Amino acid sequence: ETGVTQTPRHLVMGMTNKKSLKCEQHLGHNAMYWYKQSAKKPLELMFVYSLEERVENNSVPSRFSPECPNSSHLFLHLHTLQPEDSALYLCASSPSFPGRVADFGPGTRLTVL
Amino acid sequence: AQSVTQLDSHVSVSEGTPVLLRCNYSSSYSPSLFWYVQHPNKGLQLLLKYTSAATLVKGINGFEAEFKKSETSFHLTKPSAHMSDAAEYFCVVSEAFRDTGRRALTFGSGTRLQVQP
Repeated sequence: ETGVTQTPRHLVMGMTNKKSLKCEQHLGHNAMYWYKQSAKKPLELMFVYSLEERVENNSVPSRFSPECPNSSHLFLHLHTLQPEDSALYLCASSPSFPGRVADFGPGTRLTVL
Repeated sequence: AQSVTQLDSHVSVSEGTPVLLRCNYSSSYSPSLFWYVQHPNKGLQLLLKYTSAATLVKGINGFEAEFKKSETSFHLTKPSAHMSDAAEYFCVVSEAFRDTGRRALTFGSGTRLQVQP
């Protein structure tokens, strides 16, 4: 049990759809992260939230919109995605930021048609 | 449960000398192991990965790592350090749980490599 859960595990959506990815951590951590893992590419950090405030946004297109309502929950809202956005989206949490990335969720496998 | 221990939080070497970054892991099943590098203000970059093929894995930028099951180690080495190698390095274990099929990634705490001229 990693302590970080993500739903859904798999998602297929069209380019005009709006969907959201959810992440929840049960570890009492103060920092949460969204990573994107594309085939044949390294893990890419997308967003970092520390104490519910966004502290990093790595030039991510606006069609990805994060939300952190509290320190245990993190969402990634998706709209008008492109096929190249198909990837594994990983959520992670750590006790603090900056700090080590301690725990990853299992990921959501997203396919954009 | 899986875990990763990077034995050194900081390593300092002189340019042109060998690099050794140590990593030990524990895993209930056969893991996949990775080394990532993170330069300041940059995202994580995959250096190399082990996925149950050859135990000596060669990666980018002259790095390599050897999987030693008997020692539960996956140390990262490079024969000759370059100034551009200065960064933070993360050892990562990925494990698929047989009962659920769920995959989990665990990052080590990181080792900051300094390269002196």
